[in-house]
Amino acid sequence: QVQLLQSGAEVQKPGASVKVSCKASGYTFTRYDINWVRQATGQGLEWMGWISPSRGSRGYAQKFQGRLIATSDTSIDTAYMELSSLRSEDTAVYYCVRGGDMNYWGQGTLVTVSS
Amino acid sequence: DIQMTQSPSTLSASVGDRVTIACRASESISNWLAWFQQKPGSAPKLLVFKAISLESGVPSRFSGSGSGTAFTLTISSLQPDDFATYYCQQYYRYPYTFGQGTKLEIK
Repeated sequence: QVQLLQSGAEVQKPGASVKVSCKASGYTFTRYDINWVRQATGQGLEWMGWISPSRGSRGYAQKFQGRLIATSDTSIDTAYMELSSLRSEDTAVYYCVRGGDMNYWGQGTLVTVSS
Repeated sequence: DIQMTQSPSTLSASVGDRVTIACRASESISNWLAWFQQKPGSAPKLLVFKAISLESGVPSRFSGSGSGTAFTLTISSLQPDDFATYYCQQYYRYPYTFGQGTKLEIK
């Protein structure tokens, strides 16, 4: 069965960076894009960016340009999301999501930004 | 960016009721619209894709309709498990965007 297994919760200080991993299984990793979506506590869903593991192409929402880097390693079927210059407003659960139809989601990774 | 607007923000209903949630796009997105259900502490779950196609395993009481800029999600007969928050999302063009959510509460 398709699974996206994300790395564990992180606590980071303002100004630091965080890197979240997303290990895919149960399907051919290079056949689907990976999206990154986040959700602050009690708030709605916010799409952040995407990457194509097969082509290496990627794109980001304007508000994350310059701070977000999406990468993938096809040898281990894993996608990564790195967000830099963290601020308190970046405290949220971060999800990786498969494909345009977004029918498979990781379990989420809580990133807390606090001094 | 394409703006997605859902209504209502909150909906109170009873088991057995028929409910409809509306979603409007700021420009035409053809049928590139998905609906998600989210319960507290869990990842969202895909219910409907391409505006009208029911995801495998989703009960048939859920249905989606619309195209262009106006879309609806209908639950024909509410069940206790359906009380959750629902989001629409366009994937016609990057950046993908979500509606603000509709919280379905028990009356």
